[in-house]
Amino acid sequence: GAVVSQHPSRVICKSGTSVKIECRSLDFQATTMFWYRQFPKKSLMLMATSNEGSKATYEQGVEKDKFLINHASLTLSTLTVTSAHPEDSSFYICSAREGGEAVQPQHFGDGTRLSIL
Amino acid sequence: GQNIDQPTEMTATEGAIVQINCTYQTSGFNGLFWYQQHAGEAPTFLSYNVLDGLEEKGRFSSFLSRSKGYSYLLLKELQMKDSASYLCAVSDSNYQLIWGAGTKLIIKP
Repeated sequence: GAVVSQHPSRVICKSGTSVKIECRSLDFQATTMFWYRQFPKKSLMLMATSNEGSKATYEQGVEKDKFLINHASLTLSTLTVTSAHPEDSSFYICSAREGGEAVQPQHFGDGTRLSIL
Repeated sequence: GQNIDQPTEMTATEGAIVQINCTYQTSGFNGLFWYQQHAGEAPTFLSYNVLDGLEEKGRFSSFLSRSKGYSYLLLKELQMKDSASYLCAVSDSNYQLIWGAGTKLIIKP
């Protein structure tokens, strides 16, 4: 089946640090990848849609300069949380959609638990 | 606006059957997904329905009625490992996934 790898799984760092999270589709090409944020006991909140070779599309209220997204290849997207602060602490999850069929399911990475001290 | 409704929490007994309902109101419809999410983990794909009717996959089945804007996920022969949140998501006219808040399923022995 489709496998999505996300690293790191957990990050603990000081306030002001920038943190980079990688999302890779291991056995398929992902034209589109998605970045979500999830608070405890809450549903997924879409942050941005990442399209290979073009700028990411951010959801309303998500700061583009705060959450930098790069989708340089069909198998890799990265999310950089710049100058992270305690309020950025959350569970960040990426997903990837196979091929060009828009109704293919999204396959999720294992998530990154970010804790800013 | 777009809206997905599902119960917040359900409790069932090991070995029993449980049905988790999902109703939706979206701008367009390109299919409905069910995902399972264990606590502290990422969601995993369970099923996809785009036509009316029942899709069966082992112990799990998913039903869709487009005219009623309604779906359910049916879990049979419940096992303790089925304790998780179940997320309903609809692909709208722009192929954007609209997520429900999830139903936390608690399985008791």
